[in-house]
Amino acid sequence: DADVTQTPRNRITKTGKRIMLECSQTKGHDRMYWYRQDPGLGLRLIYYSFDVKDINKGEISDGYSVSRQAQAKFSLSLESAIPNQTALYFCATSDFTSGRAPDTQYFGPGTRLTVL
Amino acid sequence: DQQVKQNSPSLSVQEGRISILNCDYTNSMFDYFLWYKKYPAEGPTFLISISSIKDKNEDGRFTVFLNKSAKHLSLHIVPSQPGDSAVYFCAAGKPGAYKYIFGTGTRLKVLA
Repeated sequence: DADVTQTPRNRITKTGKRIMLECSQTKGHDRMYWYRQDPGLGLRLIYYSFDVKDINKGEISDGYSVSRQAQAKFSLSLESAIPNQTALYFCATSDFTSGRAPDTQYFGPGTRLTVL
Repeated sequence: DQQVKQNSPSLSVQEGRISILNCDYTNSMFDYFLWYKKYPAEGPTFLISISSIKDKNEDGRFTVFLNKSAKHLSLHIVPSQPGDSAVYFCAAGKPGAYKYIFGTGTRLKVLA
């Protein structure tokens, strides 16, 4: 079984709809992240969470919100979807390993979201 | 402002030859760099990393070189294999930040 799972894998929705993307992990990691990937722009960080009570905005948080329901679950919501939120969304996890180097991140398989 | 740049969107290499993927960065505070590989319909997977105290790190067929003065890193794959065909992302991190800035990716195609 995959360590980091994302549901749904594909979603088509309409402008103005609320949508939630879910991420679950069995790696036991404290840190979780949401990224989006757009052609020509690479991966950009939307939100990240270092534990259940710690939520932080990333580079492009406008139009998104998150919920860390448990150590293993981190959900991304689009309150009112718009077409330019059409993208590939990835969840990732990491474990704190040292006080100096950034941690290796482990990614889920992605959710392809299309907003019409 | 793209702090981490991969200026070649794609690269084709013959099987058995060397693949060289390049990455440039602008922020001198970055001190830890990683390469990820991504296959279609899958998430990125960690490949190799290097910290700024080194100028080279090797893992099997993969070697990453770091030139801090030029703010440039490169990934060498020798010999290249068809299974290496994927999109490669470089990423950079600052001390204590625990999050990365990713480049735009380079699509590598290894021709059999």
